[in-house]
Amino acid sequence: EVQVVESGGELVQPGGSLRLSCTVSGFTFSGYWMTWARQAPGKGLEWVANINQDGSGKYYVDSVKGRFTISRDNAKNSLNLQMNSLRAEDTAVYYCVRNMDVWGQGTTVTVSS
Amino acid sequence: QSVLTQAPSASGTPGQRVTISCSGSSSNIGSNTVNWYQQLPGTAPKLLIYDNNQRPSGAPDRFSGSKSGTSASLAISGLQSEDEADYYCAAWDNSLNGWIFGGGTKLTVL
Repeated sequence: EVQVVESGGELVQPGGSLRLSCTVSGFTFSGYWMTWARQAPGKGLEWVANINQDGSGKYYVDSVKGRFTISRDNAKNSLNLQMNSLRAEDTAVYYCVRNMDVWGQGTTVTVSS
Repeated sequence: QSVLTQAPSASGTPGQRVTISCSGSSSNIGSNTVNWYQQLPGTAPKLLIYDNNQRPSGAPDRFSGSKSGTSASLAISGLQSEDEADYYCAAWDNSLNGWIFGGGTKLTVL
């Protein structure tokens, strides 16, 4: 069974940092693009970043460029999102997504003082 | 503001056929395929349609997708109460170099 599980979400102060992780099972992780998407409270879906199979290609939505870094460890079947200089508008449920087809259940990030 | 445009709401009665539209541009829907996602209340999104009109394993055949030019549509036939959810379209945008979503359509089954 294909599984995607996020972790690391918590309450953080504005300007702070947080690292989200995603562990997968049930498929060959190194064969897929991976994506982070988010959903602010009561709002729609927003793509945040994605990374190609070997980690050499990374793309980001403009609002997080220079603040967020996506990375992967194919040996550990894990995807990460390092989030720095967090703002209130980064408050959202963050989803790890395989190839834009399989979604995790999400992890909640709250940026507030 | 979403680059893909969807009506915020739609409704229908059980058994009815409902269509949800998604409008984009040449840099996204016009040159790339469209996915549709269903998000039931309080749950994560689930892929419903990929590559414009393909259903993943497990997706009911009551759901169908189509694309013409810079617009796409999701049709739901034989509407059921469990179809009440938010529906999102998505496509890669060549200008933004990223995925974009529609604003979502909240479907109510009357």
